[in-house]
Amino acid sequence: GAVVSQHPSWVICKSGTSVKIECRSLDFQATTMFWYRQFPKQSLMLMATSNEGSKATYEQGVEKDKFLINHASLTLSTLTVTSAHPEDSSFYICSARSGSEQFFGPGTRLTVL
Amino acid sequence: AQSVTQPDIHITVSEGASLELRCNYSYGATPYLFWYVQSPGQGLQLLLKYFSGDTLVQGIKGFEAEFKRSQSSFNLRKPSVHWSDAAEYFCAVARVGGYNKLIFGAGTRLAVHP
Repeated sequence: GAVVSQHPSWVICKSGTSVKIECRSLDFQATTMFWYRQFPKQSLMLMATSNEGSKATYEQGVEKDKFLINHASLTLSTLTVTSAHPEDSSFYICSARSGSEQFFGPGTRLTVL
Repeated sequence: AQSVTQPDIHITVSEGASLELRCNYSYGATPYLFWYVQSPGQGLQLLLKYFSGDTLVQGIKGFEAEFKRSQSSFNLRKPSVHWSDAAEYFCAVARVGGYNKLIFGAGTRLAVHP
């Protein structure tokens, strides 16, 4: 089946620094990838839709200048959390679309001190 | 507003017992419906989906779900639960014809007693 990886699986950073999270589709090409955020014991909230070769589409309430998304190739999308603060601490999950289905990465735990 | 409700936050069942996880949705029309399972350290895995046709859908790992339009429900069932089924289960909906935006329920955490 289709496999999506994320790197890193967890990261701890200091407040004010930037963190980049990678999402890769390992055995298929994905023109569309998605980034979700999941708070403890809560559901996944879609942050943005990433389209290869074009600008990402952000959901209402998501700061595009804080969460920079780049989808430079058909197998890689990156999410950069800029000037991270403790409130950005969360579990970030990506998915890649193949046909009518989304395949999810294992997630990245971000902790901002 | 579109929403998905999973009324049960936690469910505990004994191994071998039957299972039903509830899911209700609020949508302008009949959406596409999905059930995902999330295990620690692993990505969400699709168990089954309903687009149209037969309202009883068979999925992987012995799971099935039934779409009931009159109740706006899409409950997940399994006749005999295995200890390995312990995980978080999410119901999700998407706009018909649009596979982009998944709206997830809050999830139900399943614990299985030996």
